[in-house]
Amino acid sequence: AQKVTQAQTEISVVEKEDVTLDCVYETRDTTYYLFWYKQPPSGELVFLIRRNSFDEQNEISGRYSWNFQKSTSSFNFTITASQVVDSAVYFCALSAASQGGSEKLVFGKGTKLTVNP
Amino acid sequence: GAGVSQSPSNKVTEKGKDVELRCDPISGHTALYWYRQSLGQGLEFLIYFQGNSAPDKSGLPSDRFSAERTGGSVSTLTIQRTQQEDSAVYLCASSRWAESTDTQYFGPGTRLTVL
Repeated sequence: AQKVTQAQTEISVVEKEDVTLDCVYETRDTTYYLFWYKQPPSGELVFLIRRNSFDEQNEISGRYSWNFQKSTSSFNFTITASQVVDSAVYFCALSAASQGGSEKLVFGKGTKLTVNP
Repeated sequence: GAGVSQSPSNKVTEKGKDVELRCDPISGHTALYWYRQSLGQGLEFLIYFQGNSAPDKSGLPSDRFSAERTGGSVSTLTIQRTQQEDSAVYLCASSRWAESTDTQYFGPGTRLTVL
C-alpha cells in the first residue's frame, strides 16, 4: 500500500524566512512519482512539481526547491525568502505503477503554511 | 481555456436527496479522476476514468455513489440518498493519458453541504 506522511500540520513563519515542508512516503514499487500541490485559500489545487523515482536530482524553481532522497524516502520542499502569498496548504502526493493501472494520487494530510508580514 | 471546470461550485441539499456533480476536463485529456476532500479524511481518491470506462472504482465509499463519463469528456458524479457525512468538497482532475503517470490538473471543486 502507498502512504504519504506530512508530519507538520501547521507552520508559521515571518516573511523572508526560509521554510522547509517535510514529506515522507512509503511504497514497494520501484517506479513511482511524487508531486507537490499548493492549495491557497481560494481552494483550487495548483500543481507545483512532479518527480519520478529514477530522478533524484534536486530541483530549483525560483524561490522553490525540492530535495528528493530515496534513501530516506523523503521529498522535502523548501521555500526561500517566504512571502505572504506563499500562505496556503501544501500537499505532497504519490502515484505508483502497481495501482492496477490507475495512476491515482495518494495524498498526505497537508501542511498549512502561514507567512506573516 | 481551459482548465478543468466543475459545476455547481456550491450545492446545498437535504438529507435523502440525490445530487449530480459535473466535471469538464481539459480538452484532449483521456484520464479523469474524482477525489473528495473533507476535514476528517483529507484528500481521498474516488474513481478513475480512462476514456469512458472506469477501471478503478475502488475509492467509492458506498453503492450510493456512481459516476459516468460520456464521449471521453464530461463526467458526472451522482450521489443518491445523500447523508450528512457526504458533505465535502468534490474535486475533479484530468491528465493527458494514464498509461504512464502524467500530471493531474484539478478543477475548483464542488462544495457539497448536506443538511
